[in-house]
Amino acid sequence: SQELEQSPQSLIVQEGKNLTINCTSSKTLYGLYWYKQKYGEGLIFLMMLQKGGEEKSHEKITAKLDEKKQQSSLHITASQPSHAGIYLCGRGSNYKLTFGKGTLLTVNP
Amino acid sequence: DTGVSQDPRHKITKRGQNVTFRCDPISEHNRLYWYRQTLGQGPEFLTYFQNEAQLEKSRLLSDRFSAERPKGSFSTLEIQRTEQGDSAMYLCASSTSGSSSDTQYFGPGTRLTVL
Repeated sequence: SQELEQSPQSLIVQEGKNLTINCTSSKTLYGLYWYKQKYGEGLIFLMMLQKGGEEKSHEKITAKLDEKKQQSSLHITASQPSHAGIYLCGRGSNYKLTFGKGTLLTVNP
Repeated sequence: DTGVSQDPRHKITKRGQNVTFRCDPISEHNRLYWYRQTLGQGPEFLTYFQNEAQLEKSRLLSDRFSAERPKGSFSTLEIQRTEQGDSAMYLCASSTSGSSSDTQYFGPGTRLTVL
């Protein structure tokens, strides 16, 4: 089974709508990373969460970490077409990252 | 800071040929990583360098794969006798030790197609 499960697998929203992407780990989370990837390109670092209850924001994107549930959520407020892409969560352990399969976000204008 | 760069961006080769990819990390970063990503999957860890030392290799890295980082700067990933199953995006990332987060910054990737 996958070490990191992301949900939903894909999401289509209308521009201006809010949305949430979830990431659940089967192992203890020492560090949880969120990246964004445009199709066929590299990963862009968004945020890193380390402590339970930690919440970080960057522009209209907010990420939270629930250490006890071994879960993280990524919330986008008032989505824009520029938010479209694949969102990946990654668990840090011994210098390497283990990723989920990603969530494909489409934002319709 | 020009970011992580990778060359080439795309490579098409015939089965059985050897290919080599290059990665130039962010200049002050002493850690360098290689990942492989196939369609619909997240990146999978292949190997990791701290300076010039290769400290960890995934079991995904078969004997046909070799990675080097001479002088602790750029790195190369070579695949010998390529197979169709090697078709994937090869991603390089770098980070710096000593920071609390050890955030990895990724390059644009090299897309390999084996015919």
